[in-house]
Amino acid sequence: DGGITQSPKYLFRKEGQNVTLSCEQNLNHDAMYWYRQDPGQGLRLIYYSQIVNDFQKGDIAEGYSVSREKKESFPLTVTSAQKNPTAFYLCASSAPTSGTIRQYFGPGTRLTVT
Amino acid sequence: GQQVMQIPQYQHVQEGEDFTTYCNSSTTLSNIQWYKQRPGGHPVFLIQLVKSGEVKKQKRLTFQFGEAKKNSSLHITATQTTDVGTYFCAEGFNTGKLIFGQGTTLQVKP
Repeated sequence: DGGITQSPKYLFRKEGQNVTLSCEQNLNHDAMYWYRQDPGQGLRLIYYSQIVNDFQKGDIAEGYSVSREKKESFPLTVTSAQKNPTAFYLCASSAPTSGTIRQYFGPGTRLTVT
Repeated sequence: GQQVMQIPQYQHVQEGEDFTTYCNSSTTLSNIQWYKQRPGGHPVFLIQLVKSGEVKKQKRLTFQFGEAKKNSSLHITATQTTDVGTYFCAEGFNTGKLIFGQGTTLQVKP
């Protein structure tokens, strides 16, 4: 969906290194989310933020960290503590105060750690 | 925790055949959303269902929400190759948070 950018599309890192994935939105949405998707599986929520300077852990937050210093930006850091970091990472945003609380997704970053 | 079960995991159909994916929960759902993810792409919102027994149509796609609000289905009539992808249901919460089902991957043979 337009309005959310994630970069880069592909990212390669060596084991033991932290890596930060970017997510920017210009939809003026308050809420932002990070998901992880593994082959043949659904989306699992890592972290979400309903407002600037606040965020909550999702179902699989261990080994990840986030910040929400600006409304437009919600970067995700995959730390060396994440045991199996290779996956497809999707960022999304929504405006929960609107009638339909749909989420708008970015194009995703495919992270490979070797 | 909350869990939304989706079946089947995979479905292969001949072009022109119908397709249905089902989403079930052991608890009452406040609302259900459906998303489509094309191969190599990202999920795109299709629809949200809120009311018990609700039925909504989008061209060849029919979405239903069960009377008890514990299940939902997506039915595609006369599939086309453009329908290929993975279809996800997701339970929505007032916070905007979604809990996704595992998805149903549809393959369509021309």
